[in-house]
Amino acid sequence: GAVVSQHPSWVICKSGTSVKIECRSLDFQATTMFWYRQFPKQSLMLMATSNEGSKATYEQGVEKDKFLINHASLTLSTLTVTSAHPEDSSFYICSAVKTGVVGPSGISYEQYFGPGTRLTVT
Amino acid sequence: KNEVEQSPQNLTAQEGEFITINCSYSVGISALHWLQQHPGGGIVSLFMLSSGKKKHGRLIATINIQEKHSSLHITASHPRDSAVYICAVRSGGQGNLIFGKGTKLSVKP
Repeated sequence: GAVVSQHPSWVICKSGTSVKIECRSLDFQATTMFWYRQFPKQSLMLMATSNEGSKATYEQGVEKDKFLINHASLTLSTLTVTSAHPEDSSFYICSAVKTGVVGPSGISYEQYFGPGTRLTVT
Repeated sequence: KNEVEQSPQNLTAQEGEFITINCSYSVGISALHWLQQHPGGGIVSLFMLSSGKKKHGRLIATINIQEKHSSLHITASHPRDSAVYICAVRSGGQGNLIFGKGTKLSVKP
């Protein structure tokens, strides 16, 4: 099956610094990638939708200037947490959409998840 | 009321037991995903369904579009199946997923 990788898998940084997380689709092209965060014992929360070659669409309550998303190619999207604070400590997960063939119900596509990046801000 | 409801929230089983996890949703969907999240956090996409039934190894997923319900079955459960199983639905074309809160499964040897 399709593979999505994230790097790094975990990172510890000091408060005030910036951290970049990479999400790559390894064997397919992804015009759309999603970024999620997950707090302990909670479900995934969508942060933003990243489309190749255009600006990301952020969900309500997510600061676009704090969480910078760049989707410069069909296989790579990056999330940069700027001026990180301890409350940004979380598990960040990306997901890449592989566009499929047109079926009876319209265009269908598959969504694959990265393994996640655990960010700890001290 | 959440748009995606899973039951049970927690499930403990003995090795070898047949397991069923349920997912009900209240919105129109174009696809439903079953995901597996292990304690380390990584998420694995198990199934994507838009109708009928899919089988992969010991895992079976079914969906009833009319009843807005899906089930994930695990046959001959094993301790390595212990994980959180998440149901997520896509409403619309390229809409984002709506996630259930997950079902935590523990399989005892």
